[in-house]
Amino acid sequence: EVQLLESGGGLVQPGGSLRLSCAASGFTFSNYAMTWVRQAPGKGLEWVSVIIDSGGNTYYADSVRGRFTISRDNSRNTLYLQMNSLRAEDTAIYYCAKDVHDSSGHRNDYWGQGTLVTVSS
Amino acid sequence: EIVLTQSPGTLSLSPGERATLSCRASQSVSSIYLAWYQQKPGQAPRLLIYGASSRAIGIPDRFSGSGSGTDFTLTISRLEPEDFAVYYCHHYGSSMRTFGQGTKVEIK
Repeated sequence: EVQLLESGGGLVQPGGSLRLSCAASGFTFSNYAMTWVRQAPGKGLEWVSVIIDSGGNTYYADSVRGRFTISRDNSRNTLYLQMNSLRAEDTAIYYCAKDVHDSSGHRNDYWGQGTLVTVSS
Repeated sequence: EIVLTQSPGTLSLSPGERATLSCRASQSVSSIYLAWYQQKPGQAPRLLIYGASSRAIGIPDRFSGSGSGTDFTLTISRLEPEDFAVYYCHHYGSSMRTFGQGTKVEIK
C-alpha cells in the first residue's frame, strides 16, 4: 500500500525557516518524480515544486523560487522541502504527491494527508 | 504560463442530477497532460481523471472526462451524495504545473 506521510509543519515567524519531510512507502521511491502542492486556508490548490526521480532536476512556482528548495534522499525514501524567508502568504497545508508520467499522461496518483505551516508573529 | 479557468465557480444540484464542469486553458494544451482531482473538506485531493478522459483506479464510471485543445469537461452522470465536493483541473508542463481555481459542487 502506497503511503506518503508529511511532517515538519508548525508555527514560524515571518522571515523564518522550516523544513518539511515526506516519508514514502509502498512503492519504489527512486523511480518517481515527487511534487509539493499547497493550499492556503479556504483557498484552492497551488503547485509549489517538483523533483525528478534522480533528484537531478528541480522546478519551482514563481511564488517560491529562490526561497524554497526541494530535495530527496532516495536511500531514505524521503522527500524534503526547505522553506526560507517565510511570509504570511506561505501559510498553507503542504501536501506531497507521487508523480506518474507515461504514455497515458501525467498524474499525481497518491497524496499525503498534508502538514500545516503557519507563518505569523 | 498556462492559466486554467474553471466554470462555474459553484454548481448547486440535487442527488441524481447530471453535473457538467468546465476547464478552459489560456492556450492549447495536449490532452494527455490534463487531469481532474476531487477534494472533500479536510481531505487530500484525489485523482479522478488523467489524460483528459482516463479514469483513475477505483473511480466509478459515472465520472467521465472529455475535451481537447483549450476546452475540457468533467461530467458526473448522476450525482451521488459522496460526490458533493470541490473539483480541480490540472495541467502538467515540463517545468511548471497549474491548477484551476476549482468548482464547488454543492447540494441544492
